[in-house]
Amino acid sequence: DVKVTQSSRYLVKRTGEKVFLECVQDMDHENMFWYRQDPGLGLRLIYFSYDVKMKEKGDIPEGYSVSREKKERFSLILESASTNQTSMYLCASRLGLGGEWQYFGPGTRLTVT
Amino acid sequence: SQQGEEDPQALSIQEGENATMNCSYKTSINNLQWYRQNSGRGLVHLILIRSNEREKHSGRLRVTLDTSKKSSSLLITASRAADTASYFCATDANNDMRFGAGTRLTVKP
Repeated sequence: DVKVTQSSRYLVKRTGEKVFLECVQDMDHENMFWYRQDPGLGLRLIYFSYDVKMKEKGDIPEGYSVSREKKERFSLILESASTNQTSMYLCASRLGLGGEWQYFGPGTRLTVT
Repeated sequence: SQQGEEDPQALSIQEGENATMNCSYKTSINNLQWYRQNSGRGLVHLILIRSNEREKHSGRLRVTLDTSKKSSSLLITASRAADTASYFCATDANNDMRFGAGTRLTVKP
């Protein structure tokens, strides 16, 4: 079974802090994704990566950056956390791009005060 | 931006009843996927149906796809309290995957 893990289940940070959210998958998947989930808005794609050192902006990349130095690890960085980035963050991976489902991590609930 | 839109937003039924959730979308797709999310957890995939398929079954789950109407439905038969969760449809169009806002299903014992 594919396993996607995220570094924290709950995180509380202060406004202006730099925040790192880590995601690791153990099935050699090419593609990894970061979403944020807010009530009534569903999942919105922040960034995704097709391969090591490659990244593509999703629908809401502003205020975020990502890093993929190794195939199994995809990090989401909040350069200067703001209260409107309080949300549930979900990482996912997928073997290929076409015709495959995504495997999700358990999520990180981030609160920025 | 969202592609799939689930209907209803929330559904409450008694144990043993059937639950039907619908998903509508706007553009052509390669496949449509249904996921489940327990409260505060990540999503788990349930069923994937390709654009050339009309119906698919998995245990108590039945998914239909009508590409002419750009809609899909998820039927859960003989529901159980453990089916209480949020259910999301996701459309996959040329490697662009979009999730809806979900249907919150509550199954009362």
